[in-house]
Amino acid sequence: QKEVEQDPGPLSVPEGAIVSLNCTYSNSAFQYFMWYRQYSRKGPELLMYTYSSGNKEDGRFTAQVDKSSKYISLFIRDSQPSDSATYLCAMLPYYGNNRLAFGKGNQVVVIP
Amino acid sequence: GAVVSQHPSWVICKSGTSVKIECRSLDFQATTMFWYRQFPKQSLMLMATSNEGSKATYEQGVEKDKFLINHASLTLSTLTVTSAHPEDSSFYICSANVDRGSGGNQPQHFGDGTRLSIL
Repeated sequence: QKEVEQDPGPLSVPEGAIVSLNCTYSNSAFQYFMWYRQYSRKGPELLMYTYSSGNKEDGRFTAQVDKSSKYISLFIRDSQPSDSATYLCAMLPYYGNNRLAFGKGNQVVVIP
Repeated sequence: GAVVSQHPSWVICKSGTSVKIECRSLDFQATTMFWYRQFPKQSLMLMATSNEGSKATYEQGVEKDKFLINHASLTLSTLTVTSAHPEDSSFYICSANVDRGSGGNQPQHFGDGTRLSIL
């Protein structure tokens, strides 16, 4: 079983819709939960990160972490064509192994 | 804050040439930087962890003599692809995390990547 599972299927939504992305994980030592956005031919950009469980909101973006279920989510409200990108979840323990554990990424296309 | 700059963004060169890629943390110090390789439509593959003032730690299967890493200061790490061949063509990305001094991990911030094309 991979440490982080992210269904890599592409996602196409109409402009204004809510985009819902999620990842599951198996390593209970993970404490940092990150979402990166990667545009084509660019490096990943840290979109949001959460330490331990809970919700975090930043504008149209909401990240949720449920450590009891080992499940994290990213919601994008009022999606825009500029949100079209690949979204990667990534995780880290607080101490020790500093290698990011990545999901495979979801390609999101917001159709005007 | 936490800006990572990578240079060059794109390089095309002949087979057999050595190519150096720079990764700089612009507004923070980074004891540790990371080098990744990414193939089209795939996730990032960690190549090595670069530690300031010491030898890099390479992932299994990555040739250390092929991919030379130097981390000479707290804001600069370089990756040199030696005697590059067409199979080395790829997208190379570096990252760094902000040293908080607490000893704990921190989220990584990525550079914009270098597209390497070997003819």
